[in-house]
Amino acid sequence: AQSVTQLDSQVPVFEEAPVELRCNYSSSVSVYLFWYVQYPNQGLQLLLKYLSGSTLVKGINGFEAEFNKSQTSFHLRKPSVHISDTAEYFCAVMGGSQGNLIFGKGTKLSVKP
Amino acid sequence: SQTIHQWPATLVQPVGSPLSLECTVEGTSNPNLYWYRQAAGRGLQLLFYSVGIGQISSEVPQNLSASRPQDRQFILSSKKLLLSDSGFYLCAWSSRVGSNQPQHFGDGTRLSIL
Repeated sequence: AQSVTQLDSQVPVFEEAPVELRCNYSSSVSVYLFWYVQYPNQGLQLLLKYLSGSTLVKGINGFEAEFNKSQTSFHLRKPSVHISDTAEYFCAVMGGSQGNLIFGKGTKLSVKP
Repeated sequence: SQTIHQWPATLVQPVGSPLSLECTVEGTSNPNLYWYRQAAGRGLQLLFYSVGIGQISSEVPQNLSASRPQDRQFILSSKKLLLSDSGFYLCAWSSRVGSNQPQHFGDGTRLSIL
């Protein structure tokens, strides 16, 4: 069965610093991975996805993620964060026959001035 | 373009009262539809999903039920709410065209049970 682990529940960082949000997955079948962002009191917005092809995936808002099969990881990175990036970030793996997503517990990114 | 609407945005209900949350999708046909609950510190839990009208799959046993009376309408219901039903409820859709399509979420309903 598939599962997702987000190791950090909270990540504080200063504005303009780089950030990496970690995600490890477990899957016995083909891997399809996603990162979503949730701003306070809003739904989830798709940041990026990995389905196949290049292991480096670029998404919206300057974020990117790298699929590493040997380490079963899909870490999210941004070279320079803004105050507006403060939000909760969820990693997810697609599992099940109906395209159900299995989510990690989320990482709260707090960007300080 | 496709849009997804959920209402109400917030809801305060007493224990034992009924519940009806509605979700509609525009700009697409025959979508997969999903209901999730997000409780503090527990991430997102898939409650129900539907691949077509009248077809509902439940992921966890609970006090809630779902229905899909029309192709782009998904309703979450309860006959008697429990305190443990409090949370942030999210509806999502995905396209059935192609494979491994991402899910797109509504803005959610925050449900507080008193």
